[in-house]
Amino acid sequence: QVTLKESGPALVKPTQTLTLTCTFSGFSLNTGGMRISWIRQPPGKALEWLARIDWDDDKFYSTSLKTRLTISKDTSKNQVVLTMTNIDPVDTATYFCARLADSGAHDYWGQGALVTVSS
Amino acid sequence: QSELTQPPSVSGAPGQRVTISCTGSSSNLGAGYAVHWYLQLPGTAPKLLIYANSNRPSGVPDRFSGSKSGTSASLAITGLQAEDEADYYCQSYDTSLRASVFGGGTKLTVL
Repeated sequence: QVTLKESGPALVKPTQTLTLTCTFSGFSLNTGGMRISWIRQPPGKALEWLARIDWDDDKFYSTSLKTRLTISKDTSKNQVVLTMTNIDPVDTATYFCARLADSGAHDYWGQGALVTVSS
Repeated sequence: QSELTQPPSVSGAPGQRVTISCTGSSSNLGAGYAVHWYLQLPGTAPKLLIYANSNRPSGVPDRFSGSKSGTSASLAITGLQAEDEADYYCQSYDTSLRASVFGGGTKLTVL
């Protein structure tokens, strides 16, 4: 059974660094072809893809956010971590992690973590 | 501005058929990359509805179907039910951006 769950602070102050953790089970990021994405959704708005990490440690970032994002994995803990620097109120959103299947579809999603940026 | 364009809203009466369009470009749908569709109920995570243009994951009713041609794709829902009222998103891969891309979402209202 594949599950993913996001964790991190619910409230962050502007200019701080946000660190989110995706803890997953039911598969291994050591397995060839496995990939995990981070996706966010501001309140009442559309989904926005942020970053992806692959089983071979390849990393990909949103063009508009790449200078602020870092994605990493800890395969021993079955975790993927996303950091976002210089956080701003416009970054207020629900942040999801999701498994990316071979088809290119995100087949399993976490429940999401709402992050509010406010002083 | 999303790389994939969807209508903001569609509506239909129970039992009717509705379609939701998704228009891309030569760097995503037009480049041959597959389209995938998700359903999102309020306050919940998106759920995969259609993958690789027209395939349904296990458990998704055959009232949902997808198609793709060139730079466009569509999701069709037949026999509309009240429980289908949700937001629907298309997603693909963009070779220029080297990124997954989503549509702006379509709110389906069942009248």
